[in-house]
Amino acid sequence: EVHLVQSGAEVKKPGESLKISCQGSGYNFRAHWIGWVRQMPGTGLDWVAMIFPGDSNTIYSPSFQGQVTISADKSRSTAYLQWSSLKASDTAIYYCVRLRTESLSVRSWFDPWGQGTQVTVTS
Amino acid sequence: DIAMTQSPDSLAVSLGERATINCKSSQSVLSNSYNRDYLAWYQQKPGQPPKVLIYWASTRESGVPDRFSGSGSGTDFTLTISSLQAEDVALYYCQQYYSAPYSFGQGTKLEIK
Repeated sequence: EVHLVQSGAEVKKPGESLKISCQGSGYNFRAHWIGWVRQMPGTGLDWVAMIFPGDSNTIYSPSFQGQVTISADKSRSTAYLQWSSLKASDTAIYYCVRLRTESLSVRSWFDPWGQGTQVTVTS
Repeated sequence: DIAMTQSPDSLAVSLGERATINCKSSQSVLSNSYNRDYLAWYQQKPGQPPKVLIYWASTRESGVPDRFSGSGSGTDFTLTISSLQAEDVALYYCQQYYSAPYSFGQGTKLEIK
């Protein structure tokens, strides 16, 4: 069975850095795009970025380009999302998602979803 | 960018009755090459991550009850729950995966009347 297990909740101050993780299991990690989706308190879903672990190719939403960095470690079957300087507006749940289709194509729905990582940025 | 708009924002339906949620994209998400619509529906229950119900606009995910169905093509899509059950109370989102950025609708909150 395919699983995505994310790192635990984080509480940070504005200006601090952060790296959250998502470990995949039960499938060929290198062969599926993996990405992140943000859900701010009481609001909908925003796609953030994706990476293809096989060749480290990345795609960012224009809304998040330059604000976050996505990366992956094939040897650990783990994807990461990092911030160099957090803002209060980064407070949200971040879900890790895998693209269902095994291929270089990015045209696939998201399945499964990780359990979510709550990021809280407060002074 | 493709914008996704759902209607209504919230919906209250009696148990056993039909629930219908609409989703409209600002551009077609139909691939003429493959004759497929790049549209998915997700269900999110309180405190849980979303899970896929429908992909390719009308293909039901394995394990999803057959009371859930998806229809539509091009820019207009519908999620129908034929006979509402108590466990269907949730938020529902449509999403296009035709082109990046992969956008979601704003969500529809489904409740029991």
